[in-house]
Amino acid sequence: DAKTTQPPSMDCAEGRAANLPCNHSTISGNEYVYWYRQIHSQGPQYIIHGLKNNETNEMASLIITEDRKSSTLILPHATLRDTAVYYCIVRPPTSGTYKYIFGTGTRLKVLA
Amino acid sequence: ETGVTQSPTHLIKTRGQQVTLRCSSQSGHNTVSWYQQALGQGPQFIFQYYREEENGRGNFPPRFSGLQFPNYSSELNVNALELDDSALYLCASSLQSSYNEQFFGPGTRLTVL
Repeated sequence: DAKTTQPPSMDCAEGRAANLPCNHSTISGNEYVYWYRQIHSQGPQYIIHGLKNNETNEMASLIITEDRKSSTLILPHATLRDTAVYYCIVRPPTSGTYKYIFGTGTRLKVLA
Repeated sequence: ETGVTQSPTHLIKTRGQQVTLRCSSQSGHNTVSWYQQALGQGPQFIFQYYREEENGRGNFPPRFSGLQFPNYSSELNVNALELDDSALYLCASSLQSSYNEQFFGPGTRLTVL
């Protein structure tokens, strides 16, 4: 089972910031939080990942709470092309198999 | 640098048949993972290959099998196809280390009639 909980859907106005929340209350100390998105029927696209500090790249920012039980992905200026399903993934500790466990994600719709 | 590629794009098979799907890793990546994504669901991990050996498996029956070749490309084979095998099959490549991200291909859409 996925270790994350996300709202099933969200709307955001074009040009505004999209803030996508994720709950991962059972996260372990050595687990990273990853975000991917999937535009209709394409392969998932990597966005960003982090452990405990906030992270920023050219696509988005990731804010992880101090207790690490939740995080927020921020798309600073959403465009219509950001309409997609966004997945928050916590990478489970493994003995060598680096798999992702996907939930059902958040369907973000950016409105013109 | 070329990304992950998969072939074919679409495929239609009938129940009971066998299918082989192919994946070419991103340049320099030595690990390949396969995922099955049913309509409206998130991808589900099938298995992973590293240095030509299976390196972990999800909850899929043995009729799902794979190969990885010396150039790190990979195949997913499914025998005795069932209707529920209809899905998007995704391949992802990465470097074998703890927290490198996986890069996904565009997927193969398999329809079983």
